[in-house]
Amino acid sequence: QTVVTQESSFSVSPGGTVTLTCGLTSGSVSTSYYPGWCQQTPGQAPRTLIYSTDTRSSGVPDRFSGSILGNKAALTITGAQAHDESDYYCVLFMGGGSVVFGEGTKLTVL
Amino acid sequence: EVQLVESGGGLVKPGESLRLSCAASGFNFRSYSMNWVRQAPGKGLEWVSSITTSGSLVYYADSVKGRFTISRDNTENSLYLQMNSLRAEDTAVYYCARVSGQWVPVNWGQGTLVIVSS
Repeated sequence: QTVVTQESSFSVSPGGTVTLTCGLTSGSVSTSYYPGWCQQTPGQAPRTLIYSTDTRSSGVPDRFSGSILGNKAALTITGAQAHDESDYYCVLFMGGGSVVFGEGTKLTVL
Repeated sequence: EVQLVESGGGLVKPGESLRLSCAASGFNFRSYSMNWVRQAPGKGLEWVSSITTSGSLVYYADSVKGRFTISRDNTENSLYLQMNSLRAEDTAVYYCARVSGQWVPVNWGQGTLVIVSS
């Protein structure tokens, strides 16, 4: 069974740039997986930042961008701010009406 | 503004049933496919089920197939999840979500908590 992989944790300095990635245990992530990225702070509902690889959801600042880097989907955050400290989940379309979420990356801003 | 409001969660015993509802507003509900996604306490997000705009096609995660039924009422702008034969491992916050053309959740509700415990 293919599993979606993400870094378990990542740290970035305020004002810095960080790139989180989303891969597969078997195969490469391409635009055909229509990757998305969701942000979640503790106790809150998820918020989708990016879908279809690089489309920002309404109201999402352009500090957040999505792309394909090599064989993975990527979420890049530039000018990191304290309130960007959250869990970030990637989500991939797997065919039919199904999607699969990664286990999430805990981002620390310090 | 897109609004999704879930309801129907609660505490039930193993083997019992529960029906979740999601009231949608702020968009043309009948034009969007919808998902249910859940999150167990302290865990990550798990896709549960999807339904097309008309309700003619439905999809389920293996973990709930045969026990859960997704449905919608486009006249009431509502999404439902009928959950039968509930198990302790179904304990989670359940979110309804409006999805993109490729089933990725784009807008989320605030969630409703389901606890399955004896």
